[in-house]
Amino acid sequence: TQLLEQSPQFLSIQEGENLTVYCNSSSVFSSLQWYRQEPGEGPVLLVTVVTGGEVKKLKRLTFQFGDARKDSSLHITAAQTGDTGLYLCAEFTHSGAGSYQLTFGKGTKLSVIP
Amino acid sequence: GAVVSQHPSRVICKSGTSVKIECRSLDFQATTMFWYRQFPKQSLMLMATSNEGSKATYEQGVEKDKFLINHASLTLSTLTVTSAHPEDSSFYICSASKRTSSVTGELFFGEGSRLTVL
Repeated sequence: TQLLEQSPQFLSIQEGENLTVYCNSSSVFSSLQWYRQEPGEGPVLLVTVVTGGEVKKLKRLTFQFGDARKDSSLHITAAQTGDTGLYLCAEFTHSGAGSYQLTFGKGTKLSVIP
Repeated sequence: GAVVSQHPSRVICKSGTSVKIECRSLDFQATTMFWYRQFPKQSLMLMATSNEGSKATYEQGVEKDKFLINHASLTLSTLTVTSAHPEDSSFYICSASKRTSSVTGELFFGEGSRLTVL
């Protein structure tokens, strides 16, 4: 299982600002997912990226998958207080014999201040 | 949609007691369920993977006698924390997969269960 590095670990910004968080690995991702988790709740899937160079947009969120599929970024435009949460990237991998699992990075804790 | 429900959402128990957490897929059959543990301000760490009707596969460092997992049906998996101690206090989250998940990579998460051991 490869190690997923997320940066920054913590980010505090003013409402209306833009931000980017990153997810990196030394190995090629098979497929990468981004989640947002609010305190006391389970993570909620935002997007899955599979193809190198892929860009997906979800309202003010833009997800990019690196050409080499070793890194991904999440850019939020004009952040709102409702964007506050823990942003997690996760790799979905098959571990043989029909089994699979999801491995999470350590996350970026985002706080958007009004 | 695919809804996964955990119960209880919060539980407080005394040291030495056992606690059972349930994870149910409400509107689909979950071929595989995963149990994660999350400490404050940290990420989700996979504890074990369970397939219906078979023994769970535990991740390295997770005590199988401490964290008993039962996946008796396609809609229910349970995690029992035996002889709980304060260091077992954590947020436990389950996720469930459908038969198509091996292709889609889509897992469905429960709301989590906060365990506090006094």
